[in-house]
Amino acid sequence: KNQVEQSPQSLIILEGKNCTLQCNYTVSPFSNLRWYKQDTGRGPVSLTIMTFSENTKSNGRYTATLDADTKQSSLHITASQLSDSASYICVVSRMDSSYKLIFGSGTRLLVRP
Amino acid sequence: NAGVTQTPKFRVLKTGQSMTLLCAQDMNHEYMYWYRQDPGMGLRLIHYSVGEGTTAKGEVPDGYNVSRLKKQNFLLGLESAAPSQTSVYFCASSRSTVQPQHFGDGTRLSIL
Repeated sequence: KNQVEQSPQSLIILEGKNCTLQCNYTVSPFSNLRWYKQDTGRGPVSLTIMTFSENTKSNGRYTATLDADTKQSSLHITASQLSDSASYICVVSRMDSSYKLIFGSGTRLLVRP
Repeated sequence: NAGVTQTPKFRVLKTGQSMTLLCAQDMNHEYMYWYRQDPGMGLRLIHYSVGEGTTAKGEVPDGYNVSRLKKQNFLLGLESAAPSQTSVYFCASSRSTVQPQHFGDGTRLSIL
């Protein structure tokens, strides 16, 4: 079954600290993996897209990694800011049905001052 | 640029009523999508469109209909609303299937 699982479900960190969010998937055949940030009451916003051949991709203080062999990805946030408080959603696309993305249920991050 | 605009932002319906949710994008994207987001679950695809005049079923299409008469607009209709359709509905668009999807800010729909 095609699934995307994220951990932890929620996380609280202090402003300025780093954190890492995890994503495991069983989607096959794999096309690409995406990370989105969703602020409360807003729609998701794309952070990164990685294909099979990409191991690391950065977007400012956000760095995503992909291990296609173990079907794992992580999103590392450096020097967290209060504005990083949001849900982070891992999304995987299949090669044979690229229109239909498979969404994880997200990790809710709270950054405290 | 407004990006993806959804109207209305909030709506409360009674069981059996009908309504249409409107999505408009100004990025000249070919692909458009309707999703629903429920607590504790990932977004689920309701219907999608690969271009003007085309529509196709997603993962959870039952109880919904869509139309894409103009490239920039994608309408989602509920013919006879049911409490199980209480959700937050998101519209998205993209230039291609490997490009990022751009989302609107959602329509919060409650059905009593």
